[in-house]
Amino acid sequence: KAGVTQTPRYLIKTRGQQVTLSCSPISGHRSVSWYQQTPGQGLQFLFEYFSETQRNKGNFPGRFSGRQFSNSRSEMNVSTLELGDSALYLCASSRTSGREQFFGPGTRLTVL
Amino acid sequence: AQTVTQSQPEMSVQEAETVTLSCTYDTSESDYYLFWYKQPPSRQMILVIRQEAYKQQNATENRFSVNFQKAAKSFSLKISDSQLGDAAMYFCAYRSDAGGTSYGKLTFGQGTILTVHP
Repeated sequence: KAGVTQTPRYLIKTRGQQVTLSCSPISGHRSVSWYQQTPGQGLQFLFEYFSETQRNKGNFPGRFSGRQFSNSRSEMNVSTLELGDSALYLCASSRTSGREQFFGPGTRLTVL
Repeated sequence: AQTVTQSQPEMSVQEAETVTLSCTYDTSESDYYLFWYKQPPSRQMILVIRQEAYKQQNATENRFSVNFQKAAKSFSLKISDSQLGDAAMYFCAYRSDAGGTSYGKLTFGQGTILTVHP
């Protein structure tokens, strides 16, 4: 069974631009969670989607948004990029919300 | 809000020896899950072991075992017969079973860097 995939793996953007990251969960998994990882703040929860509905959201500004499609694939979007958005963005999927999550390899975003 | 604390920023161990990584957490809930994840230099987060709070028996996965002390809110990871491939950042994580604002959310500790010396 294929693992969680994320595209692209690396991104370089400039301040003010927007970016879309994609995540394909493990087949059969309907819950997708997103995390931001930085050296200073560690791993922080962004949001979780289940059956195309956002069920939970972390403490991030409205510039961070996401969605989930009927095939459970998820995207997250960051608008008006700031230097502080430079981070590793991880997505994780689980069969049901509450069980263990399996992570993708991450997307490394650099904002210049 | 739940918090997870890993008080050891770095640990080191000799190959074939045993090492224990510490984790404490704070919660008022009774139903939850605890996890240890490993993040090697490749940055891929790998699930090492899971513990359900309602289970008194400590979880084990091959060379990895936990010491779960619910009353003390402690969840340490023991790695036996350490191997060079165990070198990584280790994260302790908490997940509530309460639903609502806990859906899909893992709360992580700050991590412990484990170095394995040959």
